[in-house]
Amino acid sequence: QVQLQESGPGLVKPSETLSLTCTVSGGSISSYYWSWIRQPPGKGLEWIGYIYYSGSTNYNPSLKSRVTISVDTSKNQFSLKLSSVTAADTAVYYCARDWGVSPPPQPWFDPWGQGTLVTVSS
Amino acid sequence: QSVLTQPPSASGTPGQRVTISCSGSSSNIGSNYVYWYQQLPGTAPKLLIYRNNQRPSGVPDRFSGSKSGTSASLAISGLRSEDEADYYCAAWDDSLSARVFGGGTKLTVL
Repeated sequence: QVQLQESGPGLVKPSETLSLTCTVSGGSISSYYWSWIRQPPGKGLEWIGYIYYSGSTNYNPSLKSRVTISVDTSKNQFSLKLSSVTAADTAVYYCARDWGVSPPPQPWFDPWGQGTLVTVSS
Repeated sequence: QSVLTQPPSASGTPGQRVTISCSGSSSNIGSNYVYWYQQLPGTAPKLLIYRNNQRPSGVPDRFSGSKSGTSASLAISGLRSEDEADYYCAAWDDSLSARVFGGGTKLTVL
């Protein structure tokens, strides 16, 4: 079955850009939508955005100005970039397959990666 | 402050039936499907219920979802110790144009 694995730096300095990659195994990234979701320590979940394998994207309006999600079908990967980070961006970042993009987009994510903790600190 | 409101905690004894509520508004639960996720300690969330009351394959029928108006509920019957986890509801919000989550409910099996 499809498995997802997040990777990237665990520590990012304030004002810099957070960069993470999600590698999909056990299946093709093509023909599906893929999302990033985050969870600050001890807090709830926040959807960041999704990408289709063709490259089309949709972002959470609250983060839209700072988020870029891209896809590399040759590597079966998709990536997240979050610019101008602050301590408020410290969170566990998850990637997931997104099933709920039919208008309106539904929060239907399955499966999820194990998550990776990114800390924003100098 | 989450858009969807859940009680921070719930508890029950083994074998008992417990329900977890999720309260929203006409712009989210009132007009869209509700989804539920289970997050066991130290792990990623797992889809538990989709489209209000549908269970993915592999999810026991002890778990059930329902929706009425601007509120939704997750019911767990025959409570087991392995059900101890955080549970999150989620929905699309028409006003915010975003997928939104509840703040989560920590379920303790006594």
